[in-house]
Amino acid sequence: RKEVEQDPGPFNVPEGATVAFNCTYSNSASQSFFWYRQDCRKEPKLLMSVYSSGNEDGRFTAQLNRASQYISLLIRDSKLSDSATYLCVVTRYSSASKIIFGSGTRLSIRP
Amino acid sequence: GAVVSQHPSRVICKSGTSVKIECRSLDFQATTMFWYRQFPKQSLMLMATSNEGSKATYEQGVEKDKFLINHASLTLSTLTVTSAHPEDSSFYICSARDPRAGIYGYTFGSGTRLTVV
Repeated sequence: RKEVEQDPGPFNVPEGATVAFNCTYSNSASQSFFWYRQDCRKEPKLLMSVYSSGNEDGRFTAQLNRASQYISLLIRDSKLSDSATYLCVVTRYSSASKIIFGSGTRLSIRP
Repeated sequence: GAVVSQHPSRVICKSGTSVKIECRSLDFQATTMFWYRQFPKQSLMLMATSNEGSKATYEQGVEKDKFLINHASLTLSTLTVTSAHPEDSSFYICSARDPRAGIYGYTFGSGTRLTVV
């Protein structure tokens, strides 16, 4: 079982739709959680951090449920420019600090 | 914000040759850098953790003698792919953590697309 699991998609939705991505992680020692966005043939870029209290940035809302070890990302009023792969990222700070990436969820917004 | 520079962005080499990829933290000191590999339509897979002044820590299944990592200074880590094979063709990305930025500090280089012919 992968440490971080995501639905690979692809999600193909019309412009203006609301879309939600889910991610689960298996290691309860995980400490920080992020959503990254990766465009084709580019490096990942931080989209937003994820907190138990929820985090909203414009059209994007991220949520963490530590009890269920579950992370979500909601995109409202989707734009064509939102088309990308969204990576769920989990980090642990220990003697071997690591960033663990989910396999990514591909999103395609159609006009 | 923190900047990580990675070079080259694209390289084509012949089978059997070696290729060196550089990762530099431009405005901060990075005691730890991470090297990832990404095959088409797959996620980033951590290859190794590069530690300044000591040996790199490799992930299971990554050949230490094939992927040589050197982290000789606080701002530079290099990955050398030795005896390159077409199967090594991939997108290689480095990442460094700016300790000043706390949990937000992971920054990625722009990646190196390696093609072995």
